[in-house]
Amino acid sequence: DIQMTQSPLSLSASLGDTVTLTCRASDSISIFLNWYQQKPGKAPQLLISSASTLHTGVPPRFSGSGSGTDFTLTITSLQHEDSATYFCQQGFSALSWTFGPGTRVEIK
Amino acid sequence: EVQILESGGGLVPPGGSLRLSCEFSGFSFSSFIMSWVRRTPRKGLEWVSSIGGSGDNSAYADSVKGRFTVSRDNSKNTVHLDMKSLRGEDSATYYCLKATGFAFDFWGQGILVTVSS
Repeated sequence: DIQMTQSPLSLSASLGDTVTLTCRASDSISIFLNWYQQKPGKAPQLLISSASTLHTGVPPRFSGSGSGTDFTLTITSLQHEDSATYFCQQGFSALSWTFGPGTRVEIK
Repeated sequence: EVQILESGGGLVPPGGSLRLSCEFSGFSFSSFIMSWVRRTPRKGLEWVSSIGGSGDNSAYADSVKGRFTVSRDNSKNTVHLDMKSLRGEDSATYYCLKATGFAFDFWGQGILVTVSS
């Protein structure tokens, strides 16, 4: 199985900051990488697919980049409602999809 | 608007069985792969199973193969996960999901399953 790691596992930032979350795959996954946001007690929501394609309704302050093994999720102009855990997921290995452990983002 | 009505879950002793169900609305159900993912404090998010639109094809994680069975009823826009021979490590919040390509673009709220005596 392709293993996914994320860093940092948690971070604290201020309103208006720009934060960058990193996701790394144990093997090349091209751009088969998705990002999800999960708030406490809520279902995860798809933010970005194919490494950089913003899902419908997701604010443009979210952006994704990367290919191969290294990917980033950037949140610019951090808002209160961005406090959540962010997961990456590889879709390269069909029917053996795996997720990263998540990065918890806290607003100071 | 996509909506999900979830049912099942609860407390079950080790070795027991349980059925989880999700009824979807708001999209052409039979056109999409439906999946199950679970979340545990120890392992995080883990893909469990997926089933094709017609119901003819399904796949399972090695950790549940032979114990879990996924099925769907396209006439009722419903997907089921039948779980048997449950173990403590199966305790988790289970999510039913709509998949588009290799992305999970709509998730249920989650169904709590606790395996304990």
